[in-house]
Amino acid sequence: AQKVTQAQTEISVVEKEDVTLDCVYETRDTTYYLFWYKQPPSGELVFLIRRNSFDEQNEISGRYSWNFQKSTSSFNFTITASQVVDSAVYFCALSDDSGGGADGLTFGKGTHLIIQP
Amino acid sequence: DGGITQSPKYLFRKEGQNVTLSCEQNLNHDAMYWYRQDPGQGLRLIYYSQIVNDFQKGDIAEGYSVSREKKESFPLTVTSAQKNPTAFYLCASTPGTGYYEQYFGPGTRLTVT
Repeated sequence: AQKVTQAQTEISVVEKEDVTLDCVYETRDTTYYLFWYKQPPSGELVFLIRRNSFDEQNEISGRYSWNFQKSTSSFNFTITASQVVDSAVYFCALSDDSGGGADGLTFGKGTHLIIQP
Repeated sequence: DGGITQSPKYLFRKEGQNVTLSCEQNLNHDAMYWYRQDPGQGLRLIYYSQIVNDFQKGDIAEGYSVSREKKESFPLTVTSAQKNPTAFYLCASTPGTGYYEQYFGPGTRLTVT
């Protein structure tokens, strides 16, 4: 069975600090996809990144970076020089290849990130 | 603009009443999903549909029903059999097989008293 664990329920940092959100996953499949979503106070989930299980390259997009390590089943998300607008709940999610990947995502419980001015 | 719409944003019902939540997309996506979110919890899958006139139960389908008569529409009915219906409901879609990131609507917050 798939499982995604986000052990950090809430993180509070001061603006401009770097912050890392942890994500650990479990799956029996060799082909799977990992995602990060952002949920601002408005409630709508915003897609941030998708990574497949065969691509372990780290990715950087502006102030955001992601570290994927299959050896530790982790897909961590780092925000550099955090800003107040980064305040949101962040979800890590997993999808395996059964059903062509169209049978829904398994989400972690989310990490509430608070950036204090 | 292309996207997913859910209406209304807030919905209030009395216990024992069925209520239907709307989800419409104009992205021409094949697959659509319904998730439920409770405070401090992640999203849990209720139902999904990969094609018109076909749908599958997710992890928490009891007390819910869906239909998929049109490609662009996937309404969710919360029945009186659902014991804890108060929650935030999110609809999502994806182009279909081979595409994995899901695009989400703005959600409907349902309160049952």
